[in-house]
Amino acid sequence: DTGVSQNPRHKITKRGQNVTFRCDPISEHNRLYWYRQTLGQGPEFLTYFQNEAQLEKSRLLSDRFSAERPKGSFSTLEIQRTEQGDSAMYLCASSPTWTGVGYTFGSGTRLTVV
Amino acid sequence: AQTVTQSQPEMSVQEAETVTLSCTYDTSESDYYLFWYKQPPSRQMILVIRQEAYKQQNATENRFSVNFQKAAKSFSLKISDSQLGDAAMYFCAYRSALGNTPLVFGKGTRLSVIA
Repeated sequence: DTGVSQNPRHKITKRGQNVTFRCDPISEHNRLYWYRQTLGQGPEFLTYFQNEAQLEKSRLLSDRFSAERPKGSFSTLEIQRTEQGDSAMYLCASSPTWTGVGYTFGSGTRLTVV
Repeated sequence: AQTVTQSQPEMSVQEAETVTLSCTYDTSESDYYLFWYKQPPSRQMILVIRQEAYKQQNATENRFSVNFQKAAKSFSLKISDSQLGDAAMYFCAYRSALGNTPLVFGKGTRLSVIA
């Protein structure tokens, strides 16, 4: 297993367009997390899945954001009608169920909305 | 809600010297885990060290060690014999041992290593 994979690495989009990011977690990990990181800040939690079930969503996740994890494997994060404030690094991480371990992070998708 | 505070936005250290990064957290829980993550420029975040709150012994991983003060809710990271490759953003993070709560991160400390 090569770790957590995120695609694309970079995305530039025009304001108002829809974008979708993909995350492939470590295959043995049943938990998958999405975070957003803006410049100079720590990662902020967006949402997470245990297998295919979305168990928690942050207040940061407006109705323009939607995430899925069909069949408990890869996950997608879609942002509709992008705004300049959506410009950020979107990080995906996975972990096993046990809360004592840390997460394994992907390299992130950097979104720039122009 | 739990919060994590890193009061040093930037730190610098001479190569081969020792540096300590500070972290405090706020929680009403007694059972939890604490982590330090390293994020090099344009590279992915990696786990440096973890501490279980019920263990009094401070965790150590090679040149990295922590000073965990549970009563003071303090969790500092000490990097010994600093190397150029240690230059990165360092994030302190908290995770409850109960339920399914996600990691909560501090805002980070940018560490520069001077040759």
